[in-house]
Amino acid sequence: KAGVTQTPRYLIKTRGQQVTLSCSPISGHRSVSWYQQTPGQGLQFLFEYFSETQRNKGNFPGRFSGRQFSNSRSEMNVSTLELGDSALYLCASSSPAGGGHTDTQYFGPGTRLTVL
Amino acid sequence: QQQVKQSPQSLIVQKGGISIINCAYENTAFDYFPWYQQFPGKGPALLIAIRPDVSEKKEGRFTISFNKSAKQFSLHIMDSQPGDSATYFCAASKEGGGNKLTFGTGTQLKVEL
Repeated sequence: KAGVTQTPRYLIKTRGQQVTLSCSPISGHRSVSWYQQTPGQGLQFLFEYFSETQRNKGNFPGRFSGRQFSNSRSEMNVSTLELGDSALYLCASSSPAGGGHTDTQYFGPGTRLTVL
Repeated sequence: QQQVKQSPQSLIVQKGGISIINCAYENTAFDYFPWYQQFPGKGPALLIAIRPDVSEKKEGRFTISFNKSAKQFSLHIMDSQPGDSATYFCAASKEGGGNKLTFGTGTQLKVEL
């Protein structure tokens, strides 16, 4: 099976702009989670989508939003970019483990966003 | 509030030695504890995970030790190899809480020849 793919891999934007990142999960996976990785804050959970519904949300401002399509592909959007939004944005997909157990998450390579 | 504390921040081990990374958590609702390995330019990859109904889990050279009363868990890498040089993250999540992982701050491991 192909792994999680993220596009684009690299992105340079300026302050005030908005950006959309895309994630294609592993075939058959219905859950997609997004994380922000920075040297200072480490890996932080943004949100999770399952069957087109947001199931979990982290502590990020409303400028960060996401959505999931019927084919499980997901996009995240960041509006009014700030310098501090420069980070590696990681997408992870998973297939339900069942029994209420946490699913194994498979991460993509990430999108490196630089805000100038 | 950092809910999962990881140490050390960096670690240098000789080839063949044992690498030990420790994590402590605060939220007693956590009941799933995975370890991820990340190489430069790559996303994290699951190494091994444990649930609190067991105190130890071993997969090949990797072992998780779990101490529920102390709210601590650790990763042991036996016979460390240069190819193990990477950043390791511990994480935790709550069952039934979706797939929200709370990560530790990471440990940069270097295995020297």
